[in-house]
Amino acid sequence: EVQLVESGGGLVQPGGSLRLSCAASGFIFNSYWMHWVRQAPGKGLVWVSRINTDGSSTTYADSVKGRFTISRDNAKNTLYLQMNSLRAEDTAVYYCARAPDLYWYFDLWGRGTLVTVSS
Amino acid sequence: DIVMTQSPGSLALSLGERATINCKSSQSVLYSSNSKSFLAWFQHKPGQPPKLLIYWASTRESGVPDRFSGSGSGTDFTLTISSLQPEDVALYYCQQYFSTPYTFGQGTKLEIK
Repeated sequence: EVQLVESGGGLVQPGGSLRLSCAASGFIFNSYWMHWVRQAPGKGLVWVSRINTDGSSTTYADSVKGRFTISRDNAKNTLYLQMNSLRAEDTAVYYCARAPDLYWYFDLWGRGTLVTVSS
Repeated sequence: DIVMTQSPGSLALSLGERATINCKSSQSVLYSSNSKSFLAWFQHKPGQPPKLLIYWASTRESGVPDRFSGSGSGTDFTLTISSLQPEDVALYYCQQYFSTPYTFGQGTKLEIK
């Protein structure tokens, strides 16, 4: 089955760190650009970051630049998001999504993992 | 950043009625070299991943019922559901993938009256 499955969410204190994972299956993972998108409670979708097929190029939203790091392990078919210096406003469901190319639509999303930043 | 503005914010219609959701971008998302508008529509139901409905503004994703259609170019776009079905109750988002940061509309909540 073609799918993306996120994991690693949870409750973390402000200033803390968390690493999210996104396991891909059923397709050729290293052929796709990958993205992270988040949705805060009661709010809309916000793009967070993207990475190219071999991991050599990354881009971030200004709100997470310098705090979050996107990476991928094509041998393990897994996408990661390392989140440091977490803030209350980072509380959200985090989705991973794939895109067949740069500046291309997101054609498959995971179900998401909830990150809660609170003391 | 390109700002995406959707209207209306919510919509309540009867089964079988036509639903129209509008999306306006603050700048053109039309790439002149290929005449494609870099605009997608997603359906999002609680507890489920967002589902791609339409891309390149008017191309229906495989498996999406033909009652869903997209139109528009440049800065003004429309998602139309020709005959509302119970399973269409959801949030709908437009998104531009023309430039980073990719941006979404604020969403339109579609309900059955």
